[in-house]
Amino acid sequence: GESVGLHLPTLSVQEGDNSIINCAYSNSASDYFIWYKQESGKGPQFIIDIRSNMDKRQGQRVTVLLNKTVKHLSLQIAATQPGDSAVYFCAENGDGGSQGNLIFGKGTKLSVKP
Amino acid sequence: NAGVMQNPRHLVRRRGQEARLRCSPMKGHSHVYWYRQLPEEGLKFMVYLQKENIIDESGMPKERFSAEFPKEGPSILRIQQVVRGDSAAYFCASSPNTGGDQPQHFGDGTRLSIL
Repeated sequence: GESVGLHLPTLSVQEGDNSIINCAYSNSASDYFIWYKQESGKGPQFIIDIRSNMDKRQGQRVTVLLNKTVKHLSLQIAATQPGDSAVYFCAENGDGGSQGNLIFGKGTKLSVKP
Repeated sequence: NAGVMQNPRHLVRRRGQEARLRCSPMKGHSHVYWYRQLPEEGLKFMVYLQKENIIDESGMPKERFSAEFPKEGPSILRIQQVVRGDSAAYFCASSPNTGGDQPQHFGDGTRLSIL
């Protein structure tokens, strides 16, 4: 699958391929970032997070990459499965988390073809 | 372990009525956040509360909207004199303590429809 940014809200991949979802965050003071998965009719589900003192973090089948220089975040999903179909949101804590709220991106819809 | 519980899941109101949305945080979590989501958009922060205190309400409209998190019971988001533009999904999240470096865990939301 090809990477997409917030200007291309839909990503379609073949089952078994790797997916890459990109996010450009807005606040240079943000030091904590999260990826959420949201299925239709449900709330956002935590996938993985990363702090700004790291540039890469791996979970089960997922990897998050952080490039603070260009304020860019990506989520890589290995061996994408039909159950991965959902909308994926990146979120940042903004202002170093002084307020506690998260700032969400617009989301990317991932569609997995069997 | 129960997650964040929101009710009702769906709420229909006529213009001018009041809407009350409830949120029970995860066990052990004392911090609650309310967000609003329009179709095809990301979540927008509204208000952040701890028990009996509003910490940040910068995202909540000054009029008609209020929120509370009493010592006992769920957090309540109240919308008075609802208008069509209030139609949205409202999500509650919770975290165990303060600090903007830990994940917030979300409920499945209340979908508010205004007739």
